[in-house]
Amino acid sequence: DTGVSQDPRHKITKRGQNVTFRCDPISEHNRLYWYRQTLGQGPEFLTYFQNEAQLEKSRLLSDRFSAERPKGSFSTLEIQRTEQGDSAMYLCASSLGLGQGNYGYTFGSGTRLTVV
Amino acid sequence: GENVEQHPSTLSVQEGDSAVIKCTYSDSASNYFPWYKQELGKRPQLIIDIRSNVGEKKDQRIAVTLNKTAKHFSLHITETQPEDSAVYFCASRAGSSNTGKLIFGQGTTLQVKP
Repeated sequence: DTGVSQDPRHKITKRGQNVTFRCDPISEHNRLYWYRQTLGQGPEFLTYFQNEAQLEKSRLLSDRFSAERPKGSFSTLEIQRTEQGDSAMYLCASSLGLGQGNYGYTFGSGTRLTVV
Repeated sequence: GENVEQHPSTLSVQEGDSAVIKCTYSDSASNYFPWYKQELGKRPQLIIDIRSNVGEKKDQRIAVTLNKTAKHFSLHITETQPEDSAVYFCASRAGSSNTGKLIFGQGTTLQVKP
């Protein structure tokens, strides 16, 4: 286990199509986060999980976005009916739980989405 | 709502000089403040962090200071080197709830000129 893995690295899709991204966290990390990053901006929070439970979802996230972490391991982020404004880098990160005393994130390399 | 402001947006220094990046946060209950370095085309990587019960932390050429009263914290890089050139992000974690969510600043592009 060498870190957080994301797949695919790049995705080009036509407007209106659905896309799904996958994230495999560090195996001992029970928290998993999804962020979106556009050029020149900091990562923007989308949602996060503790084990399989989705604990928080950004109010900025439209109903077209959904995320799952069915077995508390890997997670998927789906965007339905993509729009050009969805074009961004989608970053996944994982961390230990708060009770384990380490809040630091390990980020994946991201999935770059381009909607044409 | 939760907000982190970061300044400056760009910073250019000569090799060997010091660089300082400042962030302010809005949530007085925030208790954890990490800094990330992101090189072009790569993932953000944690370089240093500080918790609210500590005022300063140092790791070789980098240090972070925290002023809880003023709700701001700063990254200090001494003896800068060209490989320090990157985008740096500060972040804060809300302490008022059991969340791991981090709120990030807008980033500072640091250029170290040889």
